[in-house]
Order: sequence, then structure tokens, then C-alpha cells
Amino acid sequence: AAGVIQSPRHLIKEKRETATLKCYPIPRHDTVYWYQQGPGQDPQFLISFYEKMQSDKGSIPDRFSAQQFSDYHSELNMSSLELGDSALYFCASSLGNRNIQYFGAGTRLSVL
Amino acid sequence: GQNIDQPTEMTATEGAIVQINCTYQTSGFNGLFWYQQHAGEAPTFLSYNVLDGLEEKGRFSSFLSRSKGYSYLLLKELQMKDSASYLCAVRDSGGGADGLTFGKGTHLIIQP
Repeated sequence: AAGVIQSPRHLIKEKRETATLKCYPIPRHDTVYWYQQGPGQDPQFLISFYEKMQSDKGSIPDRFSAQQFSDYHSELNMSSLELGDSALYFCASSLGNRNIQYFGAGTRLSVL
Repeated sequence: GQNIDQPTEMTATEGAIVQINCTYQTSGFNGLFWYQQHAGEAPTFLSYNVLDGLEEKGRFSSFLSRSKGYSYLLLKELQMKDSASYLCAVRDSGGGADGLTFGKGTHLIIQP
């Protein structure tokens, strides 16, 4: 079965650069969630979208923004990158906005 | 806010049974999830409880008591591949596509 696809899998950036992470949900899923997981930490919820509208907001920095497009894929835009932004970024999707979340393999971002 | 507690590490023997406990204190509650995560990989959905009681799914079972703010994940017939972190996560009772709040995870070590 098709899963959540994230790209790129690995990304290396320097401080103050920008990065864009992409997420393609499971087919027919209409809800997307973004999480950040630092080394040895639990995933922290950033933001979610349901039917292309922002639905919930967690601990997302003001330097980050995200959107969900007409084909339901989502992009997380990160600007003025800091060393502390180095982490695994997971995207999850669900069918409907209150159902089980299935996670993608993640994007590992390293900020040098 | 939400506070989720689970043991940091547990050790069990191949073929045995292990129970991983999770307690939570939340301002709202609309479901408790268990995920398995191998190092550097995506969390994989294991089980979901929204009503009190036991949910069984093959070698995995999960129990919920909402009045006690308590859940456990029971793993039977342990296999070496079950060595992983097990994350307890709670969904708030907000109206939208809410992000999950994760516990710190329990690192389960399976010994031969």
C-alpha cells in the first residue's frame, strides 16, 4: 500500500539559509500534520492542515510556514535557519481530521 | 497543557510478555495512540483507544482507563525485532485536526 512520501530524505543547509520540505500524503488522505523530532527527543507537533486549511498549530517558530495545496500535498518552508533546527521532520497524514495518523520516513535536516 | 509519562527503558526476554505503562494528564482527551519507532525511522502506528477497555491486535494489545488517565501496551511472544522505542501519544479534544502530544518514549530492549 502507498505510504506518506517525504522529500528530500536528507538536506544539508547553512545557517541563515532557507529550506523547503515536501510531503505527499497517502492517496485520498485529506489531512496533513508536521512534526519535528530532535536527537533523543519525542516528536513535537508543528502544524496541521485539513482540506487545505490550517487546522491546528503547535510549537512552530515564526520563521517557519506551511501550506497544503489543491492536490493535498504540503510544504514546510523554513527560513533563517539556525543550528537548533537540525532535526528529523516528519509528515503524517490521515483520512479525515480526527483519524489515525500515518507517518512518512522523515526528512533529516542538518544545519551547519 | 498535557503531561505524558512512561518509563524510559525496559528490558525483556525473547518469547516473553512485556507491559509498557503510560499515564497522562490532559486538559482534553480524544484518544490515545501507541506507536513503535526504530532509531532514525518513522513512528509506526500500533494501536488506538478512545473508550475504556482492551483493544487486541495480534501480538499487541492496548488498554485504556480514562478515569485513571492510564494506558498500557502489552506485547506478547516477544521477538528480537520488537527492540525499539514505544511512544504513547494523546490527542486533545479540540475541534480540528489536532496534533498528537507524545511521551518521551520507552526504549525496549529484547534479550535472547
